[in-house]
Amino acid sequence: DVQVVESGGGLVKPGGSLRLSCAASGFASNDVWMNWVRQAPGKGLEWVGRIKSKNYGGTTDYAAPVKGRFTISRDDSQNTHYLQMDSLTTEDTAVYLCSAVSDKYWLGVIWGQGILVTVS
Amino acid sequence: DIVMTQSPDSLAVSLGERATIKCKSSQSVLSSSTNKNFLGWYQLKPGQPPKLLISWASTRESGIPDRFSGSGSGTDFTLTISSLQAEDVAVYYCHQYYDIPPFMYPFGRGTKLEIK
Repeated sequence: DVQVVESGGGLVKPGGSLRLSCAASGFASNDVWMNWVRQAPGKGLEWVGRIKSKNYGGTTDYAAPVKGRFTISRDDSQNTHYLQMDSLTTEDTAVYLCSAVSDKYWLGVIWGQGILVTVS
Repeated sequence: DIVMTQSPDSLAVSLGERATIKCKSSQSVLSSSTNKNFLGWYQLKPGQPPKLLISWASTRESGIPDRFSGSGSGTDFTLTISSLQAEDVAVYYCHQYYDIPPFMYPFGRGTKLEIK
């Protein structure tokens, strides 16, 4: 079965750093896209960033509010992706959700359960 | 990049009444080779991941009540809930998957549907 599990959230002070992990099992490493969205308290979903599948170049892209502060990387040996968050502000407080999808079927997005990041 | 625009931002409808949400893409998401529109409608409730309601602009996913329907082609699409139920209170999103998987690009706030 395919699944996605996030870890690494918690409380961090403004200006600090945190790294979230997203373990995606059941996917072939070459054709999986990994993605992060977040939902701040009382707000809607917001796209954070993604890493394309290797079939599509494996590049990363970021939303404007996090560009230059957040970095997505991957460790194919662990089937895990990471969201490195630096220079955090209170505006980054949110539940972060990881999602993954295979190039075989883009409608089959698998979501994690979400993980809380509190910057205070 | 294809930009998706929804209207209205929020909507209040009485129970049992019809709710209509519009979606417009900045370029066509209709594939000439398959004659399919690469457009999906999603429902987001608190504490849950987005749920796919409608794929290919008009195909209801398994288990989705038939009060939900999708229509449109090319660049203009509509989600209709024929008779609003209390459990339909949610935020609704349209997403194209013509050139990128859904939710994996900057997207708008969706349409917040409430009971009047």
